[in-house]
Amino acid sequence: QQQVKQSPQSLIVQKGGISIINCAYENTAFDYFPWYQQFPGKGPALLIAIRPDVSEKKEGRFTISFNKSAKQFSLHIMDSQPGDSATYFCAASKSEYGNKLVFGAGTILRVKS
Amino acid sequence: KAGVTQTPRYLIKTRGQQVTLSCSPISGHRSVSWYQQTPGQGLQFLFEYFSETQRNKGNFPGRFSGRQFSNSRSEMNVSTLELGDSALYLCASSYYRGTEAFFGQGTRLTVV
Repeated sequence: QQQVKQSPQSLIVQKGGISIINCAYENTAFDYFPWYQQFPGKGPALLIAIRPDVSEKKEGRFTISFNKSAKQFSLHIMDSQPGDSATYFCAASKSEYGNKLVFGAGTILRVKS
Repeated sequence: KAGVTQTPRYLIKTRGQQVTLSCSPISGHRSVSWYQQTPGQGLQFLFEYFSETQRNKGNFPGRFSGRQFSNSRSEMNVSTLELGDSALYLCASSYYRGTEAFFGQGTRLTVV
């Protein structure tokens, strides 16, 4: 019940296209869903996060869509750029458990110029 | 504002030795969490500290331990190192428990 399943494992998108990464969770107690971006040799950087009281959150070119009934959430990267090429991780946590984040396996995104 | 600082960045240790990793959180942040990242297991939660007390622990053996000091700085210790402990160890800090977590660059531990 603690798993977060992430897909696809890897993704190739043309410059200017839309990158879509999906995550599904089982534990309905999760109430915080962040996305992280990681470049080689660096730690994960917080991109955007959502809580279940909203269905969508947008920050610049990054949008999280959240479907509580389906227990799914996704990251959309609009107008994808070569600089977006990185590994993306979704995660989930239950607030009363503090910062015990459960991570997805990661998606390697490559944006072709 | 300085980010999360982890030291050292790289470590090579021999099987059976012990190691101590250090994490300085963002100024004002009181919660520190530790994660292990490996190609096979991904990112796995080790433990969380808040107000010098361990608040949460992941599924790791007792060889993995940590502590937090009054200035919120944290250390983690791994005793009797095994080859499988080779990983990137990441520290994340947040202002309070359950708020946004920001990661450091990690310590790359290689056990030979």
